[in-house]
Amino acid sequence: GAVVSQHPSRVICKSGTSVKIECRSLDFQATTMFWYRQFPKKSLMLMATSNEGSKATYEQGVEKDKFLINHASLTLSTLTVTSAHPEDSSFYICSAGLKGEQFFGPGTRLTVL
Amino acid sequence: GENVEQHPSTLSVQEGDSAVIKCTYSDSASNYFPWYKQELGKGPQLIIDIRSNVGEKKDQRIAVTLNKTAKHFSLHITETQPEDSAVYFCAASIGGNFGNEKLTFGTGTRLTIIP
Repeated sequence: GAVVSQHPSRVICKSGTSVKIECRSLDFQATTMFWYRQFPKKSLMLMATSNEGSKATYEQGVEKDKFLINHASLTLSTLTVTSAHPEDSSFYICSAGLKGEQFFGPGTRLTVL
Repeated sequence: GENVEQHPSTLSVQEGDSAVIKCTYSDSASNYFPWYKQELGKGPQLIIDIRSNVGEKKDQRIAVTLNKTAKHFSLHITETQPEDSAVYFCAASIGGNFGNEKLTFGTGTRLTIIP
């Protein structure tokens, strides 16, 4: 099956630092990946659509300078949370599309102190 | 844009009984409706999906029905087991063949199976 991995699975950082989260499609190539944010006991909120070789498309209300997305290859997209603050603490999940379906990564729990 | 509503938000079912979760969508152009199961601290896992050219799809104990006219679709789990306990999300999109279309998620249903 299609497997999507994320790294790290869990990260704790100090306020003001930047954190990079990697999303990889392990056994397929993905021209498009998606980044979601999920608060406790809430649904998934789409943050941005990551396109290989081009700029990401951000959803309304998502700061593109705060959440930097790079999709440098067909198997890797990265999300960098810049100058993280406690309100950025959340569960970040990526997904990648294959043959009409989306497959999700296991998520990254970010805690900003 | 698309809006997906999901009910109920919580559901408790006796082991062995059936569970039904319902979703409605607003955009008549939506044609792809997946269901995801999410366990605590993990990413969503696709359990079944349906496209608008069919009305029902079944995979062992799980089935999904779609009513395009009424713009609603439902997840049915029969013979529930404790391992079915999780949060279930419905979603909708104007899907193509590549999976590159944005999904709009419902608000989720926390299903608890009572042994």
